[in-house]
Amino acid sequence: NAGVTQTPKFQVLKTGQSMTLQCAQDMNHNSMYWYRQDPGMGLRLIYYSASEGTTDKGEVPNGYNVSRLNKREFSLRLESAAPSQTSVYFCASSVGGPEDTQYFGPGTRLTVL
Amino acid sequence: QKEVEQNSGPLSVPEGAIASLNCTYSDRGSQSFFWYRQYSGKSPELIMSIYSNGDKEDGRFTAQLNKASQYVSLLIRDSQPSDSATYLCAVRQGHNFNKFYFGSGTKLNVKP
Repeated sequence: NAGVTQTPKFQVLKTGQSMTLQCAQDMNHNSMYWYRQDPGMGLRLIYYSASEGTTDKGEVPNGYNVSRLNKREFSLRLESAAPSQTSVYFCASSVGGPEDTQYFGPGTRLTVL
Repeated sequence: QKEVEQNSGPLSVPEGAIASLNCTYSDRGSQSFFWYRQYSGKSPELIMSIYSNGDKEDGRFTAQLNKASQYVSLLIRDSQPSDSATYLCAVRQGHNFNKFYFGSGTKLNVKP
């Protein structure tokens, strides 16, 4: 099992450009999440998907959109990138239930110039 | 008030000592508690989960939970230089759906 995979690993964008970060999990998990991590800020939830077909906003959703393409895949889109979106982006998944635990992908390091 | 609070450190301990990492949380409804280890440039890796009051031991790691005081801790015995990393505390809330809240992490340095 690969667990949670993310592409790309690194990306440099110019202000105003758009891009999509891809995430896939092979653990048959129901829930998937997108976080950003900035120095000293910890992990902040951008969007999440409780189950296939549903998505909802997290703590910092502005400037982002998501798509839960199927049970395995959850993508994050930046429509018009801004320097404030320079960050490390992590995708995570969890099975759900009373002893739910999150597992993380390797991350995407994004720089917006 | 943040959902989860941690001292950012750095916490420095000599090799072989016990490292003690602490975390407090604000929501009494929090149900599950986690410690993740994150090496520089890497993703968070789950070390321990704890769901009920008391201690839970796994090798050199012990997680302690006190729900009355809203306090979670992680003890690392016989600390090794390879334990040097940032440790993230996370709590899970929710009934219909699980939301996870993370602290900003404590940086641990284990000196040889």
